[in-house]
Amino acid sequence: DAKTTQPPSMDCAEGRAANLPCNHSTISGNEYVYWYRQIHSQGPQYIIHGLKNNETNEMASLIITEDRKSSTLILPHATLRDTAVYYCIVRGPFGYNQGGKLIFGQGTELSVKP
Amino acid sequence: EAGVVQSPRYKIIEKKQPVAFWCNPISGHNTLYWYRQNLGQGPELLIRYENEEAVDDSQLPKDRFSAERLKGVDSTLKIQPAELGDSAVYLCASSPGQNQPQHFGDGTRLSIL
Repeated sequence: DAKTTQPPSMDCAEGRAANLPCNHSTISGNEYVYWYRQIHSQGPQYIIHGLKNNETNEMASLIITEDRKSSTLILPHATLRDTAVYYCIVRGPFGYNQGGKLIFGQGTELSVKP
Repeated sequence: EAGVVQSPRYKIIEKKQPVAFWCNPISGHNTLYWYRQNLGQGPELLIRYENEEAVDDSQLPKDRFSAERLKGVDSTLKIQPAELGDSAVYLCASSPGQNQPQHFGDGTRLSIL
């Protein structure tokens, strides 16, 4: 089962920041928070991941609370092409023949509107 | 950098027929994954390869599903015989190593009549 809780849907105005929350209250010390998104009829696209520090790349920023029980994905200037399902996933490291799977939940369906 | 390539994009077959999907991972990616995504759900892992070795196939229905990754590069996933419940999108992903981000192809949408 997924270890995360996300709102099922959100709206965002084009050009504004989209802030997508995720709760992961049972996260373990060696588990990372990953974000993927899936645009209709495409495969999931990797966005960003982090352990405990905030992270930023060309696509988004990831803010992880100090207790690591929740995080927020920030798309600073949302465009219509950012409309997608966003998945927050808690993932531990693979050991050989062990876990580390990406377990996808229901995600948040983000609609960016003009 | 070319992404993960999957073919075909769409496949329609009658039940009890065989079907195969092909995946070409990103060059240099040693880890390859096959996922199944049912309508309205997130993807679920079927099998994971490290080079040519299947290291996790616990979720693969072995009575009708098989997979191979010859020479540790391309991979095929086969279903024989297909059942109505196999209708789904089959996704392939690859990563440089097992603890690094996975990159997905656009999948094969399978419809069983």
